[in-house]
Amino acid sequence: SQTIHQWPATLVQPVGSPLSLECTVEGTSNPNLYWYRQAAGRGLQLLFYSVGIGQISSEVPQNLSASRPQDRQFILSSKKLLLSDSGFYLCAWSARGSPSFGSGTRLTVV
Amino acid sequence: GEDVEQSLFLSVREGDSSVINCTYTDSSSTYLYWYKQEPGAGLQLLTYIFSNMDMKQDQRLTVLLNKKDKHLSLRIADTQTGDSAIYFCADLESGGGADGLTFGKGTHLIIQP
Repeated sequence: SQTIHQWPATLVQPVGSPLSLECTVEGTSNPNLYWYRQAAGRGLQLLFYSVGIGQISSEVPQNLSASRPQDRQFILSSKKLLLSDSGFYLCAWSARGSPSFGSGTRLTVV
Repeated sequence: GEDVEQSLFLSVREGDSSVINCTYTDSSSTYLYWYKQEPGAGLQLLTYIFSNMDMKQDQRLTVLLNKKDKHLSLRIADTQTGDSAIYFCADLESGGGADGLTFGKGTHLIIQP
C-alpha cells in the first residue's frame, strides 16, 4: 500500500533563515505531488504541484520554492523565511483518485 | 474563480446527528470530497461523491448532493467525541489532479458532553 512521509513534524525557525521540508511517497510510481499551506482561518492553499521529476508548477508567487529531485521525493524550500511563512504545511500525492495527505509540518517563524 | 464555502463552527451534543454544509460555485465539478483533520494532523479522506449522484451512505456518514443548488452536506449519525475535528469540503474540477481541488475553510465540529 502507498504511504506518504513528511518531516519534520514541527519546526521553529528565525526570520531570515533557510527552510527545507521533505516529503517522500512509497508504494507508487510517478505520483502527482503537492505542497499545501494551511494558515489559521484561511483553509488550504495550494502552493506547488509536480507531475514528474523536475516539473514544478507554482500556484502562488512568494519566497518559497519546490523541487522534485527524485520520482517520489518533493522538497519545499526557502532561502530566507518571513514571519508570514508561519503555518501548517501539508504534502500530498495522487494518482487518479483523491489526494492523500502527509501528517503535516507546523512551521513557526520567530 | 472557484469558491467553496462552509460555516466555521458547528456544536452538537454527543449522540446527536451532525450536519455539516458546504456550497460551491463550479459547474464542472466531477467529484466532491469530505476530509477530516484531527488536531495537529494531516487530512484524512472521509468520503466522496461523484457529481451525478444524489446520496452516498457509508456507515455513520451520509453525503447529500444537490447539484442544482450546488449544495453538499455531510451527516454524521450518533456523533461521538472522536468525531471532534475540522471537516473540509473540497470540489474537484473536471480534469482531475489535486491542482484542480478547491477546499473550503473547514468546519470545526465541537462535541458537547
